[in-house]
Amino acid sequence: AQTVTQSQPEMSVQEAETVTLSCTYDTSESDYYLFWYKQPPSRQMILVIRQEAYKQQNATENRFSVNFQKAAKSFSLKISDSQLGDAAMYFCAYRSDVRSYGKLTFGQGTILTVHP
Amino acid sequence: DSGVTQTPKHLITATGQRVTLRCSPRSGDLSVYWYQQSLDQGLQFLIQYYNGEERAKGNILERFSAQQFPDLHSELNLSSLELGDSALYFCASSVDLAVSPLHFGNGTRLTVT
Repeated sequence: AQTVTQSQPEMSVQEAETVTLSCTYDTSESDYYLFWYKQPPSRQMILVIRQEAYKQQNATENRFSVNFQKAAKSFSLKISDSQLGDAAMYFCAYRSDVRSYGKLTFGQGTILTVHP
Repeated sequence: DSGVTQTPKHLITATGQRVTLRCSPRSGDLSVYWYQQSLDQGLQFLIQYYNGEERAKGNILERFSAQQFPDLHSELNLSSLELGDSALYFCASSVDLAVSPLHFGNGTRLTVT
């Protein structure tokens, strides 16, 4: 079974600075998808960014980018120019291909605090 | 707004009772997933339906059951409730089973007293 590990229970960053959240996963599959979700205090789950394993190019969405290292099974999230609104719990998630019927396996989450 | 609607937003009930949580997926999404988020745990996958059929089961207790109806909305039934069932229950939907991301509803906060 696939597992997702987020080794940083909490992280903090100063406003306008850059922070990187770590995620590693374990899988024997070659085709899969990786996601970062954000959960603010409202508890809503918001998709931040996704990465297809077959793509070598790292995904980018505005201030959010990932560093995808397939061989190392690592998928970190970089937040540039951090804003107060970025404060949230961040979850890394793995999704296999259709054999697992598309369910997401989540890491335990990283709480990000942004200091003004 | 993700387009996934969950009702009710909050539910407070007593131990031993039974409750039903409802989820309406995004328009066009055929797949529905249920997740449980407890305070001391991350998001745990419970069960998944695709176009009315159960496709995958996770760590779902026998006291819990779910179904997806012909109009694609889904219900999660929790019975013989225990204090430990207090959690945030999320429903998510997606168009397909692999490529499309999951879009989550705002969750139902269940408190068992």
